[in-house]
Amino acid sequence: GAVVSQHPSRVICKSGTSVKIECRSLDFQATTMFWYRQFPKQSLMLMATSNEGSKATYEQGVEKDKFLINHASLTLSTLTVTSAHPEDSSFYICSASQIVLKGKYEQYFGPGTRLTVT
Amino acid sequence: GENVEQHPSTLSVQEGDSAVIKCTYSDSASNYFPWYKQELGKGPQLIIDIRSNVGEKKDQRIAVTLNKTAKHFSLHITETQPEDSAVYFCAARGSGGTSYGKLTFGQGTILTVHP
Repeated sequence: GAVVSQHPSRVICKSGTSVKIECRSLDFQATTMFWYRQFPKQSLMLMATSNEGSKATYEQGVEKDKFLINHASLTLSTLTVTSAHPEDSSFYICSASQIVLKGKYEQYFGPGTRLTVT
Repeated sequence: GENVEQHPSTLSVQEGDSAVIKCTYSDSASNYFPWYKQELGKGPQLIIDIRSNVGEKKDQRIAVTLNKTAKHFSLHITETQPEDSAVYFCAARGSGGTSYGKLTFGQGTILTVHP
């Protein structure tokens, strides 16, 4: 199956600093990538959708100036958490869509990044 | 937007028994329904999916059924093994409007298979 990687897997940062998380589709080109946040024992909540070469579309309630998303190529998207605060501590998961047939695509998830803001 | 309800929240079975997880969705325009398995500290892994033009799909010990009229779909795991223990999420993908292309997840089911 399609492989999506994330880096780093874990990061600890101090309050007020910025952290960048990378998401890569390793063996396919992803026209669309998604970023999710997951709090402990909860479901995945979509933060934003990004298409290669265009601005990301953010879900309601997600601050676009705080969570900067860049989708510079068909295999790489980055999420930067700016001026991080302890409440931003969470498990961040990216996902990439792979076209399997005309008009049909499947979505594969990365292993996630555990962000802890102290 | 789409709303997906998943039940039960926890499910405990004996090894070899079957496990069934059910989900309902609200948007009749949703057309793709994947199931993901998530182990602790890892990202979700796609285990099976079904599209709106199919009523049932099976892959070895795993099967998924879809009832479009009732707007619900279910995951069936037969001959469960301890390695099946994980959190399972259902999802529905919208096909129109603001939900287009987006997965909405259920709340998750913690499945525990006892040896």
